[in-house]
Amino acid sequence: DAKTTQPPSMDCAEGRAANLPCNHSTISGNEYVYWYRQIHSQGPQYIIHGLKNNETNEMASLIITEDRKSSTLILPHATLRDTAVYYCIVANSGNTPLVFGKGTRLSVIA
Amino acid sequence: NAGVTQTPKFRVLKTGQSMTLLCAQDMNHEYMYWYRQDPGMGLRLIHYSVGEGTTAKGEVPDGYNVSRLKKQNFLLGLESAAPSQTSVYFCASSQPGQGSDNEQFFGPGTRLTVL
Repeated sequence: DAKTTQPPSMDCAEGRAANLPCNHSTISGNEYVYWYRQIHSQGPQYIIHGLKNNETNEMASLIITEDRKSSTLILPHATLRDTAVYYCIVANSGNTPLVFGKGTRLSVIA
Repeated sequence: NAGVTQTPKFRVLKTGQSMTLLCAQDMNHEYMYWYRQDPGMGLRLIHYSVGEGTTAKGEVPDGYNVSRLKKQNFLLGLESAAPSQTSVYFCASSQPGQGSDNEQFFGPGTRLTVL
């Protein structure tokens, strides 16, 4: 599986957009980009995933660069409840267990 | 639906004791996983199962055994606990090819301390 690189921590003001970057320069053509988050002491929660097109759901948007070597998770209006560790993971769809790195600790500040 | 449940939530063991962690899911998922998470670290895969009666090793399998006798249950066993196995253990399940493909659903975790 391709490895990812994320900043260890970020701050965001409440109500503003949180933009979390991820580098995955060795991603292969059949690998998806997945984002999960882990709120303190809880199990990780799926947020969104994509292959090469930008994706949006009720939680977030995922922007993948054209060369697929990096992506950005966007939380459009961050709230205090979005404070969590966010993991960017690349994996084949369906059959490959996920490999979690250390993620980015996002702190949303009032 | 309860989703993924884990039993027990907390446990303290002495070195050398054995125990079994139980994971149950009611979503009829084929795949199940056991991860451990040490302080300040991401999750690491211990073992996983792609169907009833099957198991496979993950990144850190040593000191653990697993069994998947029923589709809805995935058991993680520690035969002789060591302090290095103090961690939070998460179970997850997924149904590849359905909906969000590799989306994994996680349980609330079991906090294990080995003295």
